[in-house]
Amino acid sequence: AQKITQTQPGMFVQEKEAVTLDCTYDTSDQSYGLFWYKQPSSGEMIFLIYQGSYDEQNATEGRYSLNFQKARKSANLVISASQLGDSAMYFCAMRGFSGAGSYQLTFGKGTKLSVIP
Amino acid sequence: NAGVTQTPKFRILKIGQSMTLQCTQDMNHNYMYWYRQDPGMGLKLIYYSVGAGITDKGEVPNGYNVSRSTTEDFPLRLELAAPSQTSVYFCASSYWGQSNQPQHFGDGTRLSIL
Repeated sequence: AQKITQTQPGMFVQEKEAVTLDCTYDTSDQSYGLFWYKQPSSGEMIFLIYQGSYDEQNATEGRYSLNFQKARKSANLVISASQLGDSAMYFCAMRGFSGAGSYQLTFGKGTKLSVIP
Repeated sequence: NAGVTQTPKFRILKIGQSMTLQCTQDMNHNYMYWYRQDPGMGLKLIYYSVGAGITDKGEVPNGYNVSRSTTEDFPLRLELAAPSQTSVYFCASSYWGQSNQPQHFGDGTRLSIL
């Protein structure tokens, strides 16, 4: 079974500052993928960034980067230079690459980020 | 590009009524999924499909049915609506050609059972 834990129900960050959203995971799969999604108040789910378990470098996509520490089973999302439009729920999710878990994303409960002007 | 389209966006049902949530995608994705999101929670998988004619249960399938007659469409049916099915429902699709392919989500259907 796979499990995602996001321990921060809510976070505040000053505009233009960087913020780290925590994500830890548990899986018995040797190969897996980690995803971050953003859900604005309008409700849609927006894919942000992906990290494969065997990727040697941490993933980056524009202002988003992933601090992946495999031994600690953590995949924290770092948002640099926060903007007001970054205010949203952020979900960490994972997918194993073997067995039944390979078809589904397992989601954490999310972190609500609020950017303060 | 339309991506994943869900209809309706909002619906109120009475207990015991039935309805079908529609989902269609125009990205020629093999895989399609239905999730539900309860307040303050992440998404949980209801059903998924790996291709036309092939469906399987996810984590929370009770009270739902699906079918996949075409690559594009993956409707979700509620036969006897119950208050516990009040939730936001998301349809998603993905291409399984590469392991790093994300799931693309529709905008969701907000369903209330009264």
